[in-house]
Amino acid sequence: DTAVSQTPKYLVTQMGNDKSIKCEQNLGHDTMYWYKQDSKKFLKIMFSYNNKELIINETVPNRFSPKSPDKAHLNLHINSLELGDSAVYFCASSPTGGTEAFFGQGTRLTVV
Amino acid sequence: AQSVTQPDIHITVSEGASLELRCNYSYGATPYLFWYVQSPGQGLQLLLKYFSGDTLVQGIKGFEAEFKRSQSSFNLRKPSVHWSDAAEYFCAVGALEYGNKLVFGAGTILRVKS
Repeated sequence: DTAVSQTPKYLVTQMGNDKSIKCEQNLGHDTMYWYKQDSKKFLKIMFSYNNKELIINETVPNRFSPKSPDKAHLNLHINSLELGDSAVYFCASSPTGGTEAFFGQGTRLTVV
Repeated sequence: AQSVTQPDIHITVSEGASLELRCNYSYGATPYLFWYVQSPGQGLQLLLKYFSGDTLVQGIKGFEAEFKRSQSSFNLRKPSVHWSDAAEYFCAVGALEYGNKLVFGAGTILRVKS
């Protein structure tokens, strides 16, 4: 009965690899997000999708590509991983017309 | 530009003492305000939110916050802190005019001493 779930929870990979993080929400929300939390715990939005349509892209390198197959899923694919991509990535969702966001547990990505 | 400032990086309080965490914002639209809590290795849990109306809002776990438009502040308070409140607290601001995205403060780490 998890509201926003992300997989995997931990991801360790080498520089140059390509990886994906999956996110699913069962709240019936129309809007989903990816946030990045860096090593200093600073949280910043990366992308936002509303009903499968991209509405926010916050100057993220184009190695990051979100994909929303339906409004309950928002996956994040990262190409050519770099050391600086190491962070915790949070998926979140919110209902249309509301800014309150419900967050997943996060995916800790470590690039070595 | 939208920004949120949490002036205190760390705060230490004794168990049973009162707590106030500060949050100031700068926003070009009518803001919605939130406080989230993050325990180590965990996701973000919403403590409380302000959309409109009564400027004193009650949240979970005995927390409350007061919106003061004149001071652009949304400080979080708790009358008596429990050891389990030790965590990192994030203030966030959002607005429909900015596509529902949240802008977060840098967080305040709360330590509780017994």
